[in-house]
Amino acid sequence: QVQLVQSGAEVKKPGASVKVSCQASGYTFFNYRITWVRQAPGQGLEWMGWISAYNDNTNYAQKLQGRVTMTTDTSTSTVYMELKSLTSDDTAVYYCATTLSSGTTSFDAYHIWGQGTMVTVSS
Amino acid sequence: DIQMTQSPSSLSASVGDRVTITCRASQSISSYLNWYQHKPGKAPKLLIYAASTLQTGVPSRFSGSGSGADFTLTISSLQPDDFATYSCQQSYSTPYTFGQGTKLEIK
Repeated sequence: QVQLVQSGAEVKKPGASVKVSCQASGYTFFNYRITWVRQAPGQGLEWMGWISAYNDNTNYAQKLQGRVTMTTDTSTSTVYMELKSLTSDDTAVYYCATTLSSGTTSFDAYHIWGQGTMVTVSS
Repeated sequence: DIQMTQSPSSLSASVGDRVTITCRASQSISSYLNWYQHKPGKAPKLLIYAASTLQTGVPSRFSGSGSGADFTLTISSLQPDDFATYSCQQSYSTPYTFGQGTKLEIK
């Protein structure tokens, strides 16, 4: 079945970097974008950006520009999200998500989600 | 960035009640509005896309309406499984911002 499986929880110190993976299965990886969304404790969802698995084009949220990098490994159908210069404000659950049907794709509505990865930034 | 404002931020209701949650965009977003349900420890679940299209598998008690800048999510008869947080998301222009969420609690 279609699924996105993310890597496990991470604990990082301020100033460090974290790299979270998202492995896709059950569909043609190259044809779709993968989006990253995060949710800090007690906060709403925050869209971080997407990467095209077809051509590696990216679209990052302006507030994360310069700190976030999304990459793909087509040999394993995996997308990576790396966030640098971490602060306590980056403590959150990070999700990867995608949309596969023509209707939801047209409206960037994410109906397939990973299970989430908790990233804790603490000294 | 387009700001998305939901109201109310929290809501208490009973099983069987009809509830409505509103979402307002800071500018017109046509029908590029999606609704999600999320519960603690679980990934968000897509309920409605394109403002009013029910995602496959979502019960028909959920409905969405609106266009331009004002949107609503209605649950016609609350079921025990519906107590969760609901968020709207605009997909008109990046960054695809979300509302702050509406927490629906049991009265």
